[in-house]
Parts: sequence; structure tokens; C-alpha cells
Amino acid sequence: ENALTQSPGTLSLSPGERATLFCRASQRVSSSYLAWYQQKPGQAPRLLIYGASGRATGIPDRFSGSGSGTDFTLTISRLEPEDFAVYYCQQYGNSLWTFGQGTKVEIK
Amino acid sequence: QLQLQESASGLVKPSQTLSLTCAVSGGSISSGGSSWSWIRQQPGQGLEWMAYIHHSGSTYYNPSLKSRVIISVDRSKNQISLRLSSVTAADTAVYYCARVNAYDFHFDYWGQGALVTVSS
Repeated sequence: ENALTQSPGTLSLSPGERATLFCRASQRVSSSYLAWYQQKPGQAPRLLIYGASGRATGIPDRFSGSGSGTDFTLTISRLEPEDFAVYYCQQYGNSLWTFGQGTKVEIK
Repeated sequence: QLQLQESASGLVKPSQTLSLTCAVSGGSISSGGSSWSWIRQQPGQGLEWMAYIHHSGSTYYNPSLKSRVIISVDRSKNQISLRLSSVTAADTAVYYCARVNAYDFHFDYWGQGALVTVSS
């Protein structure tokens, strides 16, 4: 199993600040198969980024993804009030899907 | 717009079998190489992928659940189903169905989730 470790566990920031979230895989991930999701309380996850850097339909350009190999990053350039949520990375490989444990972005 | 709607019996007794269905509207479950997954989230926890099915019927399962889980499709009803046997309290979770993107294998459409509680 290709385990994903997200850091930090919690990120305390103010609106307008930049958020940088990390996702490290235990084995190499094809960049095509790395995605990021946002989840708010009581809601289903929402796809943000696919293929490591592609923005999903309707996702604002303040969200960006980067990385390759085993290290990937989600950046929110300027936090808006609606961006405070939990973020998960997810990978696919060898007919298995795994998620990271999540990073909570909270209001400082 | 594709929409997914899960349904389940809300309360299941330990050792019994949990059954879920996901009704798909706004598109056929068999179109365009469509494939589907079930993902669950235990209370206060992260996301756990459980099972995958291609509309042709091929399946993959999370090794940690493989002996207890079966995913299937019903093309006549345009729905996907999941059965999880020998449940325990640890199977209490919100269960989501999601469409698997055919190119990048991410989950691009999600249902709103169905809460299943395992308790006697």
C-alpha cells in the first residue's frame, strides 16, 4: 500500500494569508494520479485538484497544486473565509486508492 | 449534471450485513467507461476507500476489507450497491459513493453520504 502522510495536521491562519499543505507518499506516485479534496463539516468531499496540478471545474485560481514523485503540495494563495476546512490528498496505484489523513485549515 | 444519492438502513446490528445503494441520475452508470467507488468516513476520522467497480463488472477492493465487501452494479436501476458483512461498531461511518474519473482515477462526483450505525 502506498501510504500518504499529510502535514501539518492543523494549520492556523488568518483570512488573506497563504496556506501551504504537504502530502508525502511512501512510494512514487504518478503525477497523473494525485488529487486533492476539500471537506467542510457535514458535507461530502469536493474535488479541487487532479493530476497533481489541474484545477477541477469551478475551483478558484487561488488553489494550486504542484509536486512529483513522492512529494506534493497544495497552495491556497490568499485564504478566503470559505476555505477553512479539511483537505485530503489521494493517490491511485496498482488498483488501489489511498487518502492522506487530512490537514485542517482553521481560523487563527 | 451527474447526481449520486446513497441510501441505507441507518441501524445495523453487529455481525449482520450492511447494505447500501447509490442511485445515479443525470447519466448512465454504463456510459463513457464509467466506474464507481465506495468510500467511508468513520466519525471524526479521515476517508477510507473501500471498493471499485467498472461498469463492465471488474472490481477492486481495499485489502483490509476484501473478505467482507462486495460491490455490484444494477444497470436496469442505474445504481451501484455495496454489501459489507460481519459488521462491528468499527463499521459505523458515513458511506459515500463516488464516480471514478476514467483518465486520472480521482473521484469527481460524490453523493452526499449515508450514515450507518452499527449497534445492538
